[in-house]
Amino acid sequence: EVQLVESGGRLVQPGGSLRLSCAASGFTFSSYSMNWVRQAPGKGLEWVSYISSGSDTIYYADSVKGRFTISRDNAKNSLYLQMNSLTDEDTAVYYCARSRLGDWFCDLWGRGTLVTASS
Amino acid sequence: DIQMTQSPSSLSASVGDRVTITCRASQGISNSLAWYQQKPGKAPNLLLYTASRLESGVPSRFSGSGSGTDYTLTINSLQPEDFATYYCLQYYDTPPFSFGPGTKVDIK
Repeated sequence: EVQLVESGGRLVQPGGSLRLSCAASGFTFSSYSMNWVRQAPGKGLEWVSYISSGSDTIYYADSVKGRFTISRDNAKNSLYLQMNSLTDEDTAVYYCARSRLGDWFCDLWGRGTLVTASS
Repeated sequence: DIQMTQSPSSLSASVGDRVTITCRASQGISNSLAWYQQKPGKAPNLLLYTASRLESGVPSRFSGSGSGTDYTLTINSLQPEDFATYYCLQYYDTPPFSFGPGTKVDIK
């Protein structure tokens, strides 16, 4: 089955760090660019970060630039998001999403993992 | 960065109605627009891409149109399973990408 499964979300204090993981299965992970997209409680979707299949091209939203780091391990079929200096504004469900081969838009999404930054 | 607006923010409709949702970009995006459906507690689901191309497995009652800065999602003959929130996404050029704020479709 083609799927993405996120993990690592939990309650963390403001100023803290967290690393999210996304496990891919059912497709050739190393061929696809990947993204993280988040959704604050009761709010809309916000694109967070993009990484190309070979990790040579990376982009971030201004809201996380300098604090978050996206990475991947193609040998482990895994995507990561290292989040530092978390604030309450980072509280959200974080989705791992695959870009359509040869294009930018997201065509496959995981179920998400909840990150809560609160004291 | 490209900003997206979406209208209406919410609407009430009945089963069988035709529903139209509009997204407007702050600059031309050359049909680099996708539409997603999201139900409460679930991940978004891709409906259309390149403004009008229907994703495999999506019912044909969903259609998209537009060009330049203005794009439309139309749902013909609304079904009970279509009550959800709909988002547009622009993916023109390189990131950052941007989503519209969403349109919630609920039952009249």
